[in-house]
Amino acid sequence: AQSVTQLGSHVSVSEGALVLLRCNYSSSVPPYLFWYVQYPNQGLQLLLKYTSAATLVKGINGFEAEFKKSETSFHLTKPSAHMSDAAEYFCAVSDLSRGSQGNLIFGKGTKLSVKP
Amino acid sequence: EADIYQTPRYLVIGTGKKITLECSQTMGHDKMYWYQQDPGMELHLIHYSYGVNSTEKGDLSSESTVSRIRTEHFPLTLESARPSHTSQYLCASRRGLAGGTDTQYFGPGTRLTVL
Repeated sequence: AQSVTQLGSHVSVSEGALVLLRCNYSSSVPPYLFWYVQYPNQGLQLLLKYTSAATLVKGINGFEAEFKKSETSFHLTKPSAHMSDAAEYFCAVSDLSRGSQGNLIFGKGTKLSVKP
Repeated sequence: EADIYQTPRYLVIGTGKKITLECSQTMGHDKMYWYQQDPGMELHLIHYSYGVNSTEKGDLSSESTVSRIRTEHFPLTLESARPSHTSQYLCASRRGLAGGTDTQYFGPGTRLTVL
């Protein structure tokens, strides 16, 4: 069965600093991985996804993530944080077990705070 | 831009009332989902549907019920609301491609408060 683990429920960075949000996955088959962002009082919005093409995936708002099979990781990064990046971030994997039909399995989320 | 809508966005209601949370999508997606999320917390899948007349319970037990009579519409009903039902409810949909590579789109959510 697939699963994802997000390390750190809360990450705080200064404006202009590197953003690194960690996600590790567990899967017996090649995984499909997603990062979503949720702003306060809103639904989730897709940032980027890995579907077995390029291992470095670029998303919206300057975010990118690198799929590393050897480390079972899919960490999200952004070179320079902006105040508007403050939000909750969720990593997810497609459930490819029999009968699941690709339902998403979400991590517990990481809240990103950006200090001025 | 995702074409998935939820109404109402905010609802404050008294204990014992029957409520229906509406979710509609105009993308023709087969698969639809309901999640429950407490503020700042993880998502819990409570219901899903793979198409018309198909509904299944999710990982988190819920007293709510759902129906899928039309492809575009996936309402959630609570027959008798209680304070423990206070939460945010998120609806989502996806086309349902084999292998799970397609994007899942979310509505803006309904924040329910039961007094």
